[in-house]
Amino acid sequence: EAGVTQFPSHSVIEKGQTVTLRCDPISGHDNLYWYRRVMGKEIKFLLHFVKESKQDESGMPNNRFLAERTGGTYSTLKVQPAELEDSGVYFCASSTSRANYGYTFGSGTRLTVV
Amino acid sequence: EDQVTQSPEALRLQEGESSSLNCSYTVSGLRGLFWYRQDPGKGPEFLFTLYSAGEEKEKERLKATLTKKESFLHITAPKPEDSATYLCAVQAVIQGAQKLVFGQGTRLTINP
Repeated sequence: EAGVTQFPSHSVIEKGQTVTLRCDPISGHDNLYWYRRVMGKEIKFLLHFVKESKQDESGMPNNRFLAERTGGTYSTLKVQPAELEDSGVYFCASSTSRANYGYTFGSGTRLTVV
Repeated sequence: EDQVTQSPEALRLQEGESSSLNCSYTVSGLRGLFWYRQDPGKGPEFLFTLYSAGEEKEKERLKATLTKKESFLHITAPKPEDSATYLCAVQAVIQGAQKLVFGQGTRLTINP
C-alpha cells in the first residue's frame, strides 16, 4: 500500500510570498492531520480533517494559514503571506477511524522563508 | 495543559549496551501513548501504542512499558541501525477531536 505522500519535499520562498503544500493520504483513510515542527521545538498539531470536514483547527497559528481537503481525498495547506516564523517542517499524517495502530506520517515538507 | 517531556535529549551508547528512554506526560482524556522512530529527512515511523498502565509491547530489540505517569522505551543490545530520534506522543481526545501531543524526542546514537 502506498504511504502518505507530501510535496514538495522542500520549498524556499521569500517573505510575503504564497506557498501551497500538498498531502495525499493513504487511500481509505478518513482522518487527515497536519503537524509542524519548527527549529528546536517539538512537533505540534495544526489541524484535523475527517473526510472533507475540519474536525479541529485549534492548532492553526493564524489566518494566514488555510487548509482544505477536496472531496475527502488530498489536502492542501496554503500560507499567505508567508512570514519568517513560518519556517519549519510540515508533516501530514492519516489514519482510519480506529487509530490504535498509529498514524502514518509523510516525509514532510521543509519550508524555508527568507 | 497537555504536556510530554522526554529524557535524555540525546544518548550515545556502544553497540550492545542496553539502556532506557523516558517519556513523562500529563494529559486529560488520554487515549493512548505512542512511540515513533524518526530518521533524518523522514517522517515519524510508528512503533507502538500503549493504552493502560502495566501494558508492555515488544518489537525486536525494543520494549515499551507504561505507567500512569510515564513510559519507558527499553533498548536491549542495540545495533548501529537503531540510531534515530525516538519520539513519544500522547493522544488526547477533546470534544470528539483527536490529536497527538509530542515530546521533543531523544536522539539516540549507537556507536559500532
